[in-house]
Amino acid sequence: DAKTTQPPSMDCAEGRAANLPCNHSTISGNEYVYWYRQIHSQGPQYIIHGLKNNETNEMASLIITEDRKSSTLILPHATLRDTAVYYCIVRPIYNQGGKLIFGQGTELSVKP
Amino acid sequence: DAGITQSPRHKVTETGTPVTLRCHQTENHRYMYWYRQDPGHGLRLIHYSYGVKDTDKGEVSDGYSVSRSKTEDFLLTLESATSSQTSVYFCAISESTSQPQHFGDGTRLSIL
Repeated sequence: DAKTTQPPSMDCAEGRAANLPCNHSTISGNEYVYWYRQIHSQGPQYIIHGLKNNETNEMASLIITEDRKSSTLILPHATLRDTAVYYCIVRPIYNQGGKLIFGQGTELSVKP
Repeated sequence: DAGITQSPRHKVTETGTPVTLRCHQTENHRYMYWYRQDPGHGLRLIHYSYGVKDTDKGEVSDGYSVSRSKTEDFLLTLESATSSQTSVYFCAISESTSQPQHFGDGTRLSIL
């Protein structure tokens, strides 16, 4: 499975966009990029995933570079409730067993 | 939120006792997973199920067994609990291996 690299921590002002980077330079053509977050003491929460194209849903946008070696998760208007650890995960399309490999993630602090 | 209920939410027990954790879903999803989360290790897959009575091992399955007699329930059993199994346990479900996994709120297990 491809590995990911994320900054250990980031700060963001409330109401501003939070841009969380992820490097996945060894990703292969049959692997998705997934993003989850984990708010303290809760289970991980699915945010968004993509293969090649940029994706947007009600929670966030995912921008994947053309060479697919990196991506950025964008929370357009961060709130205090977005404070969490954000995990970028690379996962095969045909995923025997469905295993998700969680790295250390980025701890995002949204400040008033 | 996905209909996933984990029970109990907290448990303290002694070394050598058997412990069973339950994961119940109301989504009729085929796949169910058990993970454990420990500081410095992230989430690690213990066992997963791909249907009633169909289960397989994950990366940290030693000391754990599972059973799935109904689509909605996935049980994790520690036959003889050890202190190294003190952890937070998360259940997850997904429709297929290519769909996102959705997590429960976890069970905090302490073995003294």
